[in-house]
Amino acid sequence: EPEVTQTPSHQVTQMGQEVILRCVPISNHLYFYWYRQILGQKVEFLVSFYNNEISEKSEIFDDQFSVERPDGSNFTLKIRSTKLEDSAMYFCASSDDGRGGPEMENEKLFFGSGTQLSVL
Amino acid sequence: SQKIEQNSEALNIQEGKTATLTCNYTNYSPAYLQWYRQDPGRGPVFLLLIRENEKEKRKERLKVTFDTTLKQSLFHITASQPADSATYLCALGPWMDSSYKLIFGSGTRLLVRP
Repeated sequence: EPEVTQTPSHQVTQMGQEVILRCVPISNHLYFYWYRQILGQKVEFLVSFYNNEISEKSEIFDDQFSVERPDGSNFTLKIRSTKLEDSAMYFCASSDDGRGGPEMENEKLFFGSGTQLSVL
Repeated sequence: SQKIEQNSEALNIQEGKTATLTCNYTNYSPAYLQWYRQDPGRGPVFLLLIRENEKEKRKERLKVTFDTTLKQSLFHITASQPADSATYLCALGPWMDSSYKLIFGSGTRLLVRP
C-alpha cells in the first residue's frame, strides 16, 4: 500500500534555529497537510496546501511557519526560529482529489509516521 | 464554545467482546465524521468515515453511527482482538464550507485483554 514518508524521524534543535521537516506524500494525491501533536495532547491542524498554495491555516501557523512543494514529490514545513513550545510530533498527511465518487472515501487522510521535534 | 469529546478513560475489555467508543461534539456542523487509529509514536491511520446524511456505516468488524441531532458518533469493534489495542481518534471534517481540515478529539485508549 502506498504511504506517506517523513524525514527525519527525530530532530533535535536549539531554540532560535531554523528547521525543515520533509515529507513525500502519496504520488497521485493533490491535497497536503501538516498536523502536530504535543505529547499527551490532541492532533492539531496546522495547514493545508492545494494547487501550489496554502488553502487553509490555523492560528498556530504564524509567520514563523512556511510550507513549500519545491518539486513534484516533496512537501516541506519550515520553522524559521524555533521556540521551546514548538516541541511536538509533526505529521504530514495527504489525500486524494475528491473526484472518485461517494464510495471512494477520498476525504480520508493518509498520515506519515511523523517527525519528533525537540527544541532545547 | 466548540468542543469535541471522547472518553478520556481507557476502555479495558475481554477479547471477543464488542468495544464501543463514544464521540460527542458541540457547536460544530461537520459534513463528515471520521475515525482513526493511533498506535504509540505513529501517525493516525484511517478506519472509517461517515457522512452527515448517513446513519450507520460498516466495514468488516467495525461499525460507526452518526447522529447529527444528538451530535454524537458511536464506534464499535465487534469480536475484539488484542491487536485492536490502540488509541482511537474521532475527527470532524471535511466541512460544509469545503474546508478540508480535520478537528480531532483527544482519543480513547482501548485495551483488549487476551
